[in-house]
Amino acid sequence: DSGVTQTPKHLITATGQRVTLRCSPRSGDLSVYWYQQSLDQGLQFLIQYYNGEERAKGNILERFSAQQFPDLHSELNLSSLELGDSALYFCASSPLGRQGNTGELFFGEGSRLTVL
Amino acid sequence: DQQVKQNSPSLSVQEGRISILNCDYTNSMFDYFLWYKKYPAEGPTFLISISSIKDKNEDGRFTVFLNKSAKHLSLHIVPSQPGDSAVYFCAASGSGNEKLTFGTGTRLTIIP
Repeated sequence: DSGVTQTPKHLITATGQRVTLRCSPRSGDLSVYWYQQSLDQGLQFLIQYYNGEERAKGNILERFSAQQFPDLHSELNLSSLELGDSALYFCASSPLGRQGNTGELFFGEGSRLTVL
Repeated sequence: DQQVKQNSPSLSVQEGRISILNCDYTNSMFDYFLWYKKYPAEGPTFLISISSIKDKNEDGRFTVFLNKSAKHLSLHIVPSQPGDSAVYFCAASGSGNEKLTFGTGTRLTIIP
């Protein structure tokens, strides 16, 4: 158990819809990352938040947005969904800025989104 | 632009033998490299890492080698065990970024 919690684990929806994926980082971790893993692809970096502020942005579509709340949980919002958005979405957290940080990320179990 | 490449999608190794997984990178600003292991229906879990100031790091059955001039790293698992069957991702960070750039993964199957 990495300590990172993601909900829901599975989600099936239709094209054009909007969904929200939720992530609770490990206790004390201020940084949250979102990654997308499509079929046979590596993990593609979407976005990073640190203590509520956006810190880095990757190949995140304009239809997608994220935020990190004061309690440090994060949400990834996916709108106007297309078939190609079907993927595993992982959240990770890191103890960035804390002493002893080794640079590794701790991943949740992922949210599997299926768009029909 | 795939900055971290794992050119072997799959690898099968006999139990007890050595497994060697390879990874190449193109970004010379990467200075920290990690290997993650992923079982089905689980998130990736950290396995071992290496800083660019080293060329080898060992942890039990796992050893990572880094060849900076060739921009190549490899993960050696010896002896390989059935529980090592998983997808292995190579990842890198650097250039002042904390985010990890991942390869596409290699599915390792250990044959009993």
